[in-house]
Amino acid sequence: EAGVAQSPRYKIIEKRQSVAFWCNPISGHATLYWYQQILGQGPKLLIQFQNNGVVDDSQLPKDRFSAERLKGVDSTLKIQPAKLEDSAVYLCASSSGTSDYEQYFGPGTRLTVT
Amino acid sequence: SQKIEQNSEALNIQEGKTATLTCNYTNYSPAYLQWYRQDPGRGPVFLLLIRENEKEKRKERLKVTFDTTLKQSLFHITASQPADSATYLCALARRVSNYQLIWGAGTKLIIKP
Repeated sequence: EAGVAQSPRYKIIEKRQSVAFWCNPISGHATLYWYQQILGQGPKLLIQFQNNGVVDDSQLPKDRFSAERLKGVDSTLKIQPAKLEDSAVYLCASSSGTSDYEQYFGPGTRLTVT
Repeated sequence: SQKIEQNSEALNIQEGKTATLTCNYTNYSPAYLQWYRQDPGRGPVFLLLIRENEKEKRKERLKVTFDTTLKQSLFHITASQPADSATYLCALARRVSNYQLIWGAGTKLIIKP
């Protein structure tokens, strides 16, 4: 079974620029998550989708971050404009359900904002 | 808000010994708790899940315990191997409709040959 795919793997941008990350979850997984992981910390949930609907975006900085999951399959996370503190690894994960289910993670996108 | 504490310093263990990692939490008791392994440059990989009404879970050389009175979970790797070297993260599921996971910062485990 193919795993969670993410691209790009690395991205370097200047502050105030915009950037987009793409995620393709495991086939058939209805739940998709975007996490932000700052060096030395655990992942922090940014947004959770169930099919193409948003379940939880309470920790998403909506003034600069946006995400969509059209057709309930792959997803895009965008940052506009980026700030220095957005430097982190952005992880996408998927699961077949919401409760008691393990999450499968992609390799992540390492973002550096200069 | 929920606070999760894992050993911030790296844990060095001799090959063949048992490694024990700690996850302590404050405030409310989670619906369940998961342990993940993360290697450098990669996403976390699920290892074990333990529910609030379970005391212990085992999988091959791995064992997890959950003590809701102490607000603590212990993660054990028996007969440790250098290949077990990684960062281990615990994640607690909040008692909300989406069972949002709150993650610890992880403990770096180093198994010396």
